Amino acid sequence: EDQVTQSPEALRLQEGESSSLNCSYTVSGLRGLFWYRQDPGKGPEFLFTLYSAGEEKEKERLKATLTKKESFLHITAPKPEDSATYLCAVKNSGYSTLTFGKGTMLLVSP
Amino acid sequence: DTAVSQTPKYLVTQMGNDKSIKCEQNLGHDTMYWYKQDSKKFLKIMFSYNNKELIINETVPNRFSPKSPDKAHLNLHINSLELGDSAVYFCASSQDLGNGDYTFGSGTRLTVV
Repeated sequence: EDQVTQSPEALRLQEGESSSLNCSYTVSGLRGLFWYRQDPGKGPEFLFTLYSAGEEKEKERLKATLTKKESFLHITAPKPEDSATYLCAVKNSGYSTLTFGKGTMLLVSP
Repeated sequence: DTAVSQTPKYLVTQMGNDKSIKCEQNLGHDTMYWYKQDSKKFLKIMFSYNNKELIINETVPNRFSPKSPDKAHLNLHINSLELGDSAVYFCASSQDLGNGDYTFGSGTRLTVV
């Protein structure tokens, strides 16, 4: 069974204070690792897909990286509008659905 | 135009009632899903449909019955509602079964009293 564990559960940062979120996974044949952002009262919004170890993707202040066992979401000089819950998900080699982790709730204070 | 729309946004009902949640996507996607997000914010797959056909049916009580009249619509009917059914239900769609880039609706918050 696919498993996704995210840490920390919650993270509080000051504006401009860079940090990283962790997603460790166990999957039978990774077909993709996905990062989503979820704002309160809304559905998750797709951010990135990573397919193989060593791959990196960037979008504004966010950079996602992937190894064979985990992924990191690096947040550089965050702003209050980056406050959200960040979800990690994996897809295995079959035509499976996404298996999500429990998320990291990020709060960035001005 | 909302890409994936769910109705209603809020649903408060008594135990034992039957209720439905509707979902529509205008993205031309082939695959649609129902996810349940519990009070701890954990998202868990319930069902997936591809071109109106049921593909995945996770361990969900048979009181939950999805229906897809066409590939743009996926509805969820729940019979004999229980307190434990209280959660946020999300509909999502993707271009096809192999795609992990989902577009989610804004959710339906179901409260059973």
